Amino acid sequence: GENVEQHPSTLSVQEGDSAVIKCTYSDSASNYFPWYKQELGKRPQLIIDIRSNVGEKKDQRIAVTLNKTAKHFSLHITETQPEDSAVYFCAANRPGTYKYIFGTGTRLKVLA
Amino acid sequence: ETGVTQTPRHLVMGMTNKKSLKCEQHLGHNAMYWYKQSAKKPLELMFVYSLEERVENNSVPSRFSPECPNSSHLFLHLHTLQPEDSALYLCASSQDLGSFGNTIYFGEGSWLTVV
Repeated sequence: GENVEQHPSTLSVQEGDSAVIKCTYSDSASNYFPWYKQELGKRPQLIIDIRSNVGEKKDQRIAVTLNKTAKHFSLHITETQPEDSAVYFCAANRPGTYKYIFGTGTRLKVLA
Repeated sequence: ETGVTQTPRHLVMGMTNKKSLKCEQHLGHNAMYWYKQSAKKPLELMFVYSLEERVENNSVPSRFSPECPNSSHLFLHLHTLQPEDSALYLCASSQDLGSFGNTIYFGEGSWLTVV
């Protein structure tokens, strides 16, 4: 069945460094890819998304890139800050349905 | 932020108990969901309601019973659960069904421990 692989499962970076989280999807028909951030004890919240008709999208310190040929997409966080510490989930949609396939999450720790 | 609220936030129940999780959304959305979040596993979709009608029952054991009395409220009734059912249960809503650009708004979850 369709799945989304997410790597790494944990990531530690020094404050100010960049962090990159990668996801690979299996359904070539997927055309919408959201990223969610879940802080400890909090709800998952959408932080950025990308549609298949663009290759990159930026919002201040975060960006997402999409490679449709390779079927992978990545989250990039620059100038990391302690408040970026959280679990990040990627997802890919199942076109024609209301379903998303989620990755298993990446726990990001930003070390001060 | 009070878009999607869930109660209780924490619940400990015995395997013979009956309890319910409650969810309320204040966003005027038409679709509501229950997800199960377990450690190191992808979010697992359990139930989906659109305009109060169930559209998905994703092979969930009958010991979980959803109820959607109106488009703003969603319940998950629990009975005779197993320890492996211990997890974070997330309620969510979206404007409509459809997965293209349709943002899902999550509640903060109900931590369930079955003893």
